[in-house]
This record gives sequence, structure tokens and C-alpha cells, in this order.
Amino acid sequence: KQEVTQIPAALSVPEGENLVLNCSFTDSAIYNLQWFRQDPGKGLTSLLLIQSSQREQTSGRLNASLDKSSGRSTLYIAASQPGDSATYLCAASGSARQLTFGSGTQLTVLP
Amino acid sequence: EAGVAQSPRYKIIEKRQSVAFWCNPISGHATLYWYQQILGQGPKLLIQFQNNGVVDDSQLPKDRFSAERLKGVDSTLKIQPAKLEDSAVYLCASSFLLGAYEQYFGPGTRLTVT
Repeated sequence: KQEVTQIPAALSVPEGENLVLNCSFTDSAIYNLQWFRQDPGKGLTSLLLIQSSQREQTSGRLNASLDKSSGRSTLYIAASQPGDSATYLCAASGSARQLTFGSGTQLTVLP
Repeated sequence: EAGVAQSPRYKIIEKRQSVAFWCNPISGHATLYWYQQILGQGPKLLIQFQNNGVVDDSQLPKDRFSAERLKGVDSTLKIQPAKLEDSAVYLCASSFLLGAYEQYFGPGTRLTVT
């Protein structure tokens, strides 16, 4: 059974810092890995999807990497802004195609 | 492009009452998912549809939860009777097809059972 862990549970940084969010998964036989953003009281917004054959994906200030052999993915946010404050969730899609989510990292970017 | 629509946004009921949630996926998306998100946790898949057929409902508490997707478009999730531990946000998501395609989420329905 796939298990996804995100550490830390919460992170607070000053505006302008580059930061890395971590995600680990127990079953390396994943189909893809997806990063989401969740704002309070709202649904999830898809940020990046990395196929199992890919090593990374980039969108604007966001870069996500995937290392299946070590069971890890990272989300890099460059030049953080207060508007980046949200909870970031990673989810692994296994052989059955269902997403297994981590509990998320709550990010606060201080002005 | 319109996103995934859900209603109601909020619902408060007493335990042992019934409740139903509605979801309208993105047009053309064949796959529809219902997730339960308890406060402080990531979403947990309850049921997955491909068109109007169930792909996986292994984590759906079938003694009290039911879901249907008539005509392969809209879907309804029902809880009867509700328990205190059902208090959560119920998220609906859709994707073009299974697997490699991104899932797009609706705003969710926040259920409080008192």
C-alpha cells in the first residue's frame, strides 16, 4: 500500500527566499506524481505533474523533481511571494491509477 | 473552460440524518472522483468512475455511503445515516481519462455533523 509523507508539516519564510518542499513515497512503482496547491476553504489547484519517465517539470517559478529510485520528489519555489502562502500537497499515482496524497506542507511567506 | 462545479458549498446536519452532494465535472472528462478530506489530512479517494461505471470503490464505506453517475456526466454522493466522523470536506475531481492525465478539483463541500 502506497504511503506518502510530506515534511515539514509547516514552514514559514521571509519574502524573496527560495525554498524546497519535500515529498517521499514508499512504493517506487508510481505512474506519475502531482503537486497541488490548496488555499483555505478552496479546492486543489494542480501545479505540476511529473510522469514516471520524467525527472522534472517546470512552470514559472516552480520546479518539481522526481527520483523514483529513492522514493522522493521535491517542489522548488524560487523568489517566494506572500501570494504563495497556501498548503502544498503531493500525490502519487500508482499502478491502479488512484492518487495517494500526503498530508501537505502549510507554507507562510512573510512580507 | 468551466471548472468542476460542486454544491452545496457548506452543509450542517445532525448525526443520523442524510445528506447528498452534487458534482458536475469539466465537459468531456470521462473520469470522476470523490475524495474525503478530514481537517489536517490529505484527500482520501472514496470512489472513482469511468463514464458511468465504477472503477474503484474499495475505500467507500458502503454501509452508509453511496454514489452514482447517471449518464456518465453529473454525480451524486450520499451519506445515510451520517456519523460525527463524517465531518470533512468532500471534493470532486475529474480528468480526461485515467492515469496520466491531471485531475482537476472542485471547490468542495464542507460537511459538519453535530
